[in-house]
Amino acid sequence: EPEVTQTPSHQVTQMGQEVILRCVPISNHLYFYWYRQILGQKVEFLVSFYNNEISEKSEIFDDQFSVERPDGSNFTLKIRSTKLEDSAMYFCASNPGTINQPQHFGDGTRLSIL
Amino acid sequence: GQQLNQSPQSMFIQEGEDVSMNCTSSSIFNTWLWYKQDPGEGPVLLIALYKAGELTSNGRLTAQFGITRKDSFLNISASIPSDVGIYFCAGRWGSQGNLIFGKGTKLSVKP
Repeated sequence: EPEVTQTPSHQVTQMGQEVILRCVPISNHLYFYWYRQILGQKVEFLVSFYNNEISEKSEIFDDQFSVERPDGSNFTLKIRSTKLEDSAMYFCASNPGTINQPQHFGDGTRLSIL
Repeated sequence: GQQLNQSPQSMFIQEGEDVSMNCTSSSIFNTWLWYKQDPGEGPVLLIALYKAGELTSNGRLTAQFGITRKDSFLNISASIPSDVGIYFCAGRWGSQGNLIFGKGTKLSVKP
């Protein structure tokens, strides 16, 4: 069964550095999402992306964050000038774009800011 | 903003027992999804509900989309040790909108 794949599985970064999290959504899916889960807490929506532009974003997704679909397969989340509180699991998800279809999640990237 | 209240927060049950958990919302959704998350992994879809009143089963799992569109429940029958994990409800307004997640129900099953 097709899967959403994310790399790396664990990223350790010094505070203030930039980090790029990578995702390969399921190949025929049209909608892409990033979510965040701080340890022990619920999953929180960050941003959705469709037709090469952001379709919706949460208040968490401020100017520190950006997303890009650099080619036909990858979907990236860039976090600039990382802060300690950015430490979390970051999940990518995708959706076919047809009605009544759920989002499928990757296994996440654990981001640790030191 | 939209809030989901998921209960119970945690459950400790004996293998073979049935489990029930639910979510309520302050506003209506047109999709309810139930996911399971194992440690270190992403949420895995269990059941998707798209119509008020819909009752859907997936093996030992049964979920219902509340008639008011503000709630949903998930039942697990005859629990087994591999049911251990965190179960999340998620609601969505719109066919492609972002998901609002509950805080999760942590299930522990004693053999």
